[in-house]
Amino acid sequence: DGGITQSPKYLFRKEGQNVTLSCEQNLNHDAMYWYRQDPGQGLRLIYYSQIVNDFQKGDIAEGYSVSREKKESFPLTVTSAQKNPTAFYLCASQTQGAGDTQYFGPGTRLTVL
Amino acid sequence: GENVEQHPSTLSVQEGDSAVIKCTYSDSASNYFPWYKQELGKRPQLIIDIRSNVGEKKDQRIAVTLNKTAKHFSLHITETQPEDSAVYFCAATKGGSYIPTFGRGTSLIVHP
Repeated sequence: DGGITQSPKYLFRKEGQNVTLSCEQNLNHDAMYWYRQDPGQGLRLIYYSQIVNDFQKGDIAEGYSVSREKKESFPLTVTSAQKNPTAFYLCASQTQGAGDTQYFGPGTRLTVL
Repeated sequence: GENVEQHPSTLSVQEGDSAVIKCTYSDSASNYFPWYKQELGKRPQLIIDIRSNVGEKKDQRIAVTLNKTAKHFSLHITETQPEDSAVYFCAATKGGSYIPTFGRGTSLIVHP
């Protein structure tokens, strides 16, 4: 899991702004994921990507967008359409094998001012 | 889709006691069950996992048991220590899927 980095660690957004969260991995993992974590609600899946140039919506994709132009990178944009974006965002990656372990990045805490 | 229920949501024990966290899943096709530990403000980290062809797995003070018939699995921590205090998440992944379903987490508090 030390091979997954997220930046920034803390991010503040004004209402109406789009912000982009970075996720990079050097584990040579094919699949990457974005989760949102709110107190008492566990981990909710926003988007995932199993291969470069392809991604799918998760359970709470509204107001978010992603891209997967490189295997190592899976940035998440929180758009102004996301009405309640204050949360802890976690990126994860895993090997291509189904049922393999996910490894998490250190997270980004986003706060709307 | 898969549904994972995790109980209790909070567990308070004295140092040296044992702690047990239970999860149930709904999809009998699930075959991979990891447990993650998340300390405050940190990333979730895998502490132990089990696959459906195994009934129990141990790693020092931590063990996981799986009952496929009843569709539940449990995390057992013996001789708890204050540094075991954290939120623990269970997850279940269906065979052929890349998407785990997570439980809501259990906050374990170990009192010195």
